[in-house]
Amino acid sequence: KAGVTQTPRYLIKTRGQQVTLSCSPISGHRSVSWYQQTPGQGLQFLFEYFSETQRNKGNFPGRFSGRQFSNSRSEMNVSTLELGDSALYLCASTSGQGGNTIYFGEGSWLTVV
Amino acid sequence: KQEVTQIPAALSVPEGENLVLNCSFTDSAIYNLQWFRQDPGKGLTSLLLIQSSQREQTSGRLNASLDKSSGRSTLYIAASQPGDSATYLCAVTANAGGTSYGKLTFGQGTILTVHP
Repeated sequence: KAGVTQTPRYLIKTRGQQVTLSCSPISGHRSVSWYQQTPGQGLQFLFEYFSETQRNKGNFPGRFSGRQFSNSRSEMNVSTLELGDSALYLCASTSGQGGNTIYFGEGSWLTVV
Repeated sequence: KQEVTQIPAALSVPEGENLVLNCSFTDSAIYNLQWFRQDPGKGLTSLLLIQSSQREQTSGRLNASLDKSSGRSTLYIAASQPGDSATYLCAVTANAGGTSYGKLTFGQGTILTVHP
């Protein structure tokens, strides 16, 4: 079955703009999580959605937001982009119940100039 | 706050060698621990998942162990190959009453290079 799909794969934005990234989880998975990966900070948890509700949130400013739709697809939005937001944004999905492997997408590379 | 540390940060070995990657975590109240592999510019590929009640998991040439009480896990790779070159990450899920299954805390990773 298809894996976790993220779009777009690469994008370049200007400081002050906003960006929306999309994630389609594995069929049947109800939990979608987002992570930011940078060389300096490594992988950091942004938030998790389960059945359209935000279940967990990481320590990021309010400029970072997300949502999940009834088909479990998820989007994350970053407003008022800063240079430091340049990163690989990874989406992961799991069934949402304990004991199950978490699967990651290929990521969206965001460059802010 | 959970902290995950991986040692060494980088490792270079000749092909055929057996090797061990280490992961430690500060809070033993974990639900499970997962080892991932990341190739340059790519997403993460899950290698092994160990539940907190388990001691080890094996998949092919890979064996992961977990000692929850001491906050340690090791990933053993047997007969390493150049194709094993990648960054290896361990991550833990907190045991928070069933509300944190999608929230992982990652280590910084070990960059492994296996040369022919």
